[in-house]
Amino acid sequence: AQSVAQPEDQVNVAEGNPLTVKCTYSVSGNPYLFWYVQYPNRGLQFLLKYITGDNLVKGSYGFEAEFNKSQTSFHLKKPSALVSDSALYFCAVRDPGSSGNTGKLIFGQGTTLQVKP
Amino acid sequence: GAGVSQSPSNKVTEKGKDVELRCDPISGHTALYWYRQSLGQGLEFLIYFQGNSAPDKSGLPSDRFSAERTGGSVSTLTIQRTQQEDSAVYLCASSLSTGSSYEQYFGPGTRLTVT
Repeated sequence: AQSVAQPEDQVNVAEGNPLTVKCTYSVSGNPYLFWYVQYPNRGLQFLLKYITGDNLVKGSYGFEAEFNKSQTSFHLKKPSALVSDSALYFCAVRDPGSSGNTGKLIFGQGTTLQVKP
Repeated sequence: GAGVSQSPSNKVTEKGKDVELRCDPISGHTALYWYRQSLGQGLEFLIYFQGNSAPDKSGLPSDRFSAERTGGSVSTLTIQRTQQEDSAVYLCASSLSTGSSYEQYFGPGTRLTVT
């Protein structure tokens, strides 16, 4: 079964410093990986995805993620954090289901990012 | 362009009542998903629709939950005889297809509170 783990409930970082939000996955077959961000009382916003190709994926708001097949990880990164980046971040993996074609997402438990001025 | 919309944004209901939650996907998106977000369970898949294919209902937690999608567009999630454990935020998402490369776009959610 597909699964995603986000080992940190919360990550604290000072504004201007680099940030990393960790994600590891377990899938059968090729992994299709996604990062979403959720601001308070809002739905999830798509940040970036890895389907194939370059291991370093660039996304919205200056975020990027590095796919590492040997470590089964897909960590989210940003070189310089902003206070406005403070939010709840979800890593997700596509679960093709028994038919191989559902596209539903399996989410990690989420990591709260707190960026302090 | 317009994103995914959901209504109502908040719903408070008494235990035992039925509720209907509505989702309007992005125009042209053929795939539609329902998820539930709760403190104890995180984000859970409930059901998905793709075109005229039979929906994948594998995530529905009980037979009190059902959903339909009319005309390949608007979807309604119905919860019968609501229980307190049904309290959660119900999120709808749509994508161009169920193909692996297509990201899902989420609506703002409906916060359901069962008293």
